[in-house]
Amino acid sequence: SYELTQPPSVSVSLGQMARITCSGEALPKKYAYWYQQKSGQVPVMVIYKDIKRPSGIPERFSASSSGTKVTLTISGVQAEDEADYYCVSADSSGSYPVVFGGGTKLTVL
Amino acid sequence: EVQLVQSGAEVKKPGESLKISCKGSGYSFTIYWIGWVRQMPGKGLEWMGIIYPTDSKTKYSPSFQGQVSISADKSISTAYLHWSSLKASDTAIYYCVRGDGDGYLAYWGQGTLVTVSS
Repeated sequence: SYELTQPPSVSVSLGQMARITCSGEALPKKYAYWYQQKSGQVPVMVIYKDIKRPSGIPERFSASSSGTKVTLTISGVQAEDEADYYCVSADSSGSYPVVFGGGTKLTVL
Repeated sequence: EVQLVQSGAEVKKPGESLKISCKGSGYSFTIYWIGWVRQMPGKGLEWMGIIYPTDSKTKYSPSFQGQVSISADKSISTAYLHWSSLKASDTAIYYCVRGDGDGYLAYWGQGTLVTVSS
């Protein structure tokens, strides 16, 4: 079955830049989405269709795509950005319309 | 305003059956698919399956095929997740999501905590 690979954890100092990667073979053909889940809360979409930011999401959240890898970047990390981040996409065959990455725990130091 | 409102928390015993629900409002229920996502305690998000309310066609993750069933009643804009025989390992939060495309989980329900314990 299709997999999306994320690092289990990323640590960054307050005010610095955080980058979280997600790799998958179908990413050149399928959009990637990023969801933020704070402890005890419902996930929230922070990036859609590879690089677009939903209304209400701070500008410090951005994303890029290159081949089989997509990257979520948080510039000037704030304490409230500490959360789990999930990359989501789909496989190219149409069999699996939703595939979750394993999630990355972002720790703000 | 688009909303997905899920049924309340459940405490069940192993072997019991359960059906939880997800009611959509604020949009045309048949236009978008509804999916279910599991989150076990302290773990990540897992896709379980989806249903297209317009014709009730379903797709399941291989990990959940045969373990649960997904249904929908478009007349009342509600989707369901059903277990015929619960196990302790089914203890988790279950989210319903509205799918606006592959991977595009535009709206989430508030989650339903299911606890299975003898």
